[in-house]
Amino acid sequence: GQQVMQIPQYQHVQEGEDFTTYCNSSTTLSNIQWYKQRPGGHPVFLIQLVKSGEVKKQKRLTFQFGEAKKNSSLHITATQTTDVGTYFCAAGGATNKLIFGTGTLLAVQP
Amino acid sequence: NAGVTQTPKFQVLKTGQSMTLQCAQDMNHNSMYWYRQDPGMGLRLIYYSASEGTTDKGEVPNGYNVSRLNKREFSLRLESAAPSQTSVYFCASSRLVGSEKLFFGSGTQLSVL
Repeated sequence: GQQVMQIPQYQHVQEGEDFTTYCNSSTTLSNIQWYKQRPGGHPVFLIQLVKSGEVKKQKRLTFQFGEAKKNSSLHITATQTTDVGTYFCAAGGATNKLIFGTGTLLAVQP
Repeated sequence: NAGVTQTPKFQVLKTGQSMTLQCAQDMNHNSMYWYRQDPGMGLRLIYYSASEGTTDKGEVPNGYNVSRLNKREFSLRLESAAPSQTSVYFCASSRLVGSEKLFFGSGTQLSVL
């Protein structure tokens, strides 16, 4: 079945440093979504990418969808302590189901 | 406008006991989902309901049953709880199944002893 791998599992940065998490699928995706989960909270939708090579920005966050629609990345510029949490990608493929990646836990040291 | 409401927030069961997790959404969404979250495993889909009257298996359906009671409510039942079912359970909903964003409830922390 469809698998979604996300790396790294954990990233610790100093405040102000950049951060990137990567999401890779074994199959071509119809779309990819990104979610953020604060510690003790629930996942909250950030963005959806649909087109091959698509790039979207939300303030300091940049989301990319690969040309082959098999991978995606989330890049945060100049991290802040409010960026702390787990970032998940969720892949939409041939089935109706959204398959979540394993997540990247981001810790930001002030 | 509460969004997605899950009950209970916490539950402790003994092995073999049964329980039902309740979920309701007030956004008039067609599709609803149950996920479990375990450390290092991400969110895994247990069951989903694309629309009222339909339910389908997700990635990890064994040991669970679901009921789409009406358009608003989607319950998850553990008939005979096992320690392997200790997890955080999230209910979610979306306007349509597939490529629509999910709205999550606040989760249920379940421990099976």
